[in-house]
Amino acid sequence: DGGITQSPKYLFRKEGQNVTLSCEQNLNHDAMYWYRQDPGQGLRLIYYSQIVNDFQKGDIAEGYSVSREKKESFPLTVTSAQKNPTAFYLCASSPGGRGAFFGQGTRLTVV
Amino acid sequence: DAKTTQPTSMDCAEGRAANLPCNHSTISGNEYVYWYRQIHSQGPQYIIHGLKNNETNEMASLIITEDRKSSTLILPHATLRDTAVYYCIVRERSGYALNFGKGTSLLVTP
Repeated sequence: DGGITQSPKYLFRKEGQNVTLSCEQNLNHDAMYWYRQDPGQGLRLIYYSQIVNDFQKGDIAEGYSVSREKKESFPLTVTSAQKNPTAFYLCASSPGGRGAFFGQGTRLTVV
Repeated sequence: DAKTTQPTSMDCAEGRAANLPCNHSTISGNEYVYWYRQIHSQGPQYIIHGLKNNETNEMASLIITEDRKSSTLILPHATLRDTAVYYCIVRERSGYALNFGKGTSLLVTP
């Protein structure tokens, strides 16, 4: 089935550890995005990529890093520099002009 | 991208039409209106989008005023499964990302 897959659904990490969230799409979309959502809040843009080997910072990129080596994949690394990493992380892809399709999210808890 | 204003919350009785308003008074001529919804703990789901004409699909209808400064999303026969947060977003068709605000929390009651 075509779609966008985030894994794992739940992730626990100790404070100070880096963690990488996976996002894969088989929709042949050029653009991919990472958002963060905190309880009761809207989505905030972390990073986006419009094409392979290129990505841009969003509104809250500090403490995060990404790569886009393949069209299908856009992993997000939450580094130890991110002060409040516990959140719901959403990945999306877009064919351009028709909005975006979202994955089901990864809920990260740092203890 | 233009900013949008939505009510924080709304209620609707099951089976009735849910009309969700959105103000976007600073929208520019090449910006589209997009609607998404997010059911608790899931990723947002695309509903509909439009430029200036009214649009309808299997999920909803989108009514955009003639001056394009506001729009209404209509769920014609709301069900309990329509309980969600609804986001109204304006963006250029080739814009780089969707800017989500806090949306409207719609509660459909039996």
